Amino acid sequence: VLTQSPGTLSLSPGERVTLSCRASQSVSSNYLAWYQQKPGQAPRLLIYGASFRATGIPDRFSGSGSGTDFTLTISRLEPEDFAVYSCQQYGSSPYTFGQGTKLEIK
Amino acid sequence: VQLQESGPGLVKPSGTLSLTCTVSGDSISSSNWWSWIRQTPGKGLEWIGEIYHSGSTNDSPSLKSRVTLSVDKFKNQFSLKLSSVTAADTAVYFCARNLWFGFFDYWGQGTLVSVSS
Repeated sequence: VLTQSPGTLSLSPGERVTLSCRASQSVSSNYLAWYQQKPGQAPRLLIYGASFRATGIPDRFSGSGSGTDFTLTISRLEPEDFAVYSCQQYGSSPYTFGQGTKLEIK
Repeated sequence: VQLQESGPGLVKPSGTLSLTCTVSGDSISSSNWWSWIRQTPGKGLEWIGEIYHSGSTNDSPSLKSRVTLSVDKFKNQFSLKLSSVTAADTAVYFCARNLWFGFFDYWGQGTLVSVSS
């Protein structure tokens, strides 16, 4: 089980934010991904392998962590970053997702 | 790479949900696996299962007995059948590309399937 916290965050553009994803057991090989999802759209891959940015993802997005604790940091929020962020583990089957953290504009 | 889901948007309870994903920009016979994922407001994103072009599959234990995955290499498509549906199966269904034990790098736009009489 992946638990994300907090459920919702109200922030302003320009702020720095760190989102948490905690696994109930160690994620094999740090096979942890982060996705961004906007209303009516499919999730978009941001980070894989806990810390590797996907193609075309701005460097204000960074991932870190290992074992059971992982974080996604956005160094400086842009208006287009307000969305839902979900983590996913693919180290063991069935692949599972966290319930998501919603970033909303303050 | 683009993926596009297609299929009925309304299924009757106890019926079978059938969806197809058409892939362009990549061959269904490449080294990738092809997955189905669904999303509900209450349960969030839920992985349903994946298929390889050889026909090998992996399914979520929570749905395993109701899920049938298939691939059509000639049409570059893969399909999902979910049997004995109930209202709890109402969701947006996505198809996606992944590696074996991999993350999902390309997704379809998603299609809403409602289960109702």
